Amino acid sequence: QVQLVQSGAEVKKPGSSVKVSCKASGGTFSSYTISWVRQAPGQGLEWMGRIIPILGIANYAQKFQGRVTITADKSTSTAYMELSSLRSEDTAVYYCARHSGVLWYFDYWGQGTLVTVSS
Amino acid sequence: QSALTQPASVSGSPGQSITISCTGTSSDVGGYNYVSWYQQHPGKAPKLMIYDVSNRPSGVSNRFSGSKSGNTASLTISGLQAEDEADYYCSSYTSSSTLVFGTGTKVTVL
Repeated sequence: QVQLVQSGAEVKKPGSSVKVSCKASGGTFSSYTISWVRQAPGQGLEWMGRIIPILGIANYAQKFQGRVTITADKSTSTAYMELSSLRSEDTAVYYCARHSGVLWYFDYWGQGTLVTVSS
Repeated sequence: QSALTQPASVSGSPGQSITISCTGTSSDVGGYNYVSWYQQHPGKAPKLMIYDVSNRPSGVSNRFSGSKSGNTASLTISGLQAEDEADYYCSSYTSSSTLVFGTGTKVTVL
């Protein structure tokens, strides 16, 4: 059974960066595609970007281009999402989610990581 | 990429059927059969309910069904039950090789 376990909650200052991890178990990590999705308090889901670990290729939503970096470490079956130049509007729960194969839907989700940006 | 448009709320009585719409453009919903639907209960991660417009994952009740016409996709919940009360989001692949979610719909069981 596939499990995605994310790192714990973070509190960050405006202007700083945050890096959230997502460790996968079950299945073959290198064959996954992992996306990151965020949800601000009381708001909807927002796709940020994805990575294909076996290719080391990532692509991002235009809104986050230049501010987000998604990486993967095949040796530890862990994906990472780093968001820089944080502002209060980045306060949200960040989820990692596994694509089903190369398709564009998510069959497994992490538990979510709350990132709070506050001075 | 703008979010897909969903009604903010839909309600129904137990046993009734409701339909949630998800409107995009020819660059997303209308251009590909890659529309999915997710159910989210408060404080929980989303759960996949429908993929590729009308396919149900194993374990999802057959009370949930999906369809698409032009630039609008729809999720229908038949035989509405109390446990169906949740937020629902559609998503679609886009021509930019990205994904876009809908604005979300709160389903209330009266």
